[in-house]
Amino acid sequence: EVQLVESGGGLVQPGGSLRLSCAATGFTFSSYWMAWVRQAPGKGLEWVANIKQDGSEMYHVGSGRGRFTISRDNAKNSLYLQVNSLRAEDTAMYYCARVNLGIYFEYWGQGTPVTVSS
Amino acid sequence: SYELTQPLSVSVALGQTAIIPCEGDYIRSKNVHWYQQKPGQAPVLVIYRDSIRPSAFPERFSGSNSGNTATLTISRAQAGDEADYYCQVWDSTTVVFGGGTKLTVL
Repeated sequence: EVQLVESGGGLVQPGGSLRLSCAATGFTFSSYWMAWVRQAPGKGLEWVANIKQDGSEMYHVGSGRGRFTISRDNAKNSLYLQVNSLRAEDTAMYYCARVNLGIYFEYWGQGTPVTVSS
Repeated sequence: SYELTQPLSVSVALGQTAIIPCEGDYIRSKNVHWYQQKPGQAPVLVIYRDSIRPSAFPERFSGSNSGNTATLTISRAQAGDEADYYCQVWDSTTVVFGGGTKLTVL
C-alpha cells in the first residue's frame, strides 16, 4: 500500500524557515517524480514544486522560486521542501504527492500544516 | 501563464447528473486530470488523462475533453459525492490547477 506521511510543519514567524519532510512507503520511491502541493485555508490547490526521480530536474512555482527548494533522498525514501523567508501568505496545508506520467498526482499524503504568524 | 477556469459551485438533485466544466485555451491539446476533495481530507484522484477512472471510483464518474472545455460528469449523484472538485493540467514546466468547484447534492 502506498503511503506518504508528511512532517515538519508548525508555527513560524514571518521571515523564518522550515524543512518539511515526506516519508514514502509501499512503492519504489526512486522510480517516481514527486511533488509538493499546498492549500491555504479555505482556498484551492496550488502546486509548489516537482522533482525528477534522481533529483536532476526540479520545477518550482514562480512565487516560491528562490524561497522554496524541493529535494529528495532516495536512500531514505524521503522527499523534502525547504521553505525560507516565510510570509503570512505561505500559511497552508502542505501535501506531498506522487507524480505519474502525464504529470498528475495519483497518491497524496494527509498534509502538514504551516502557519506563518508573529 | 496558462489558466483553468471552473465555476465556484454546481448543484445537482439527488440521482441526477452533475456536470463540472473546466475551461482553458485549447485544453483539448492537454491531458486533464480531476481530483475530489472532501472537507478535512486530502485530495483524491478521480479521473486522469481526460477520461480514465481509477478503480476506486465507480463508473458514475466520467471525463471528457474537447475544444476549450474539459468536463467531469457524475451520473446518478449521491450525497457522498458532495465535495470540491479540481481540474489540473501540466503546461510547459508548470502544474496548473483550476480554482475548484463545490458540488452540492440537493
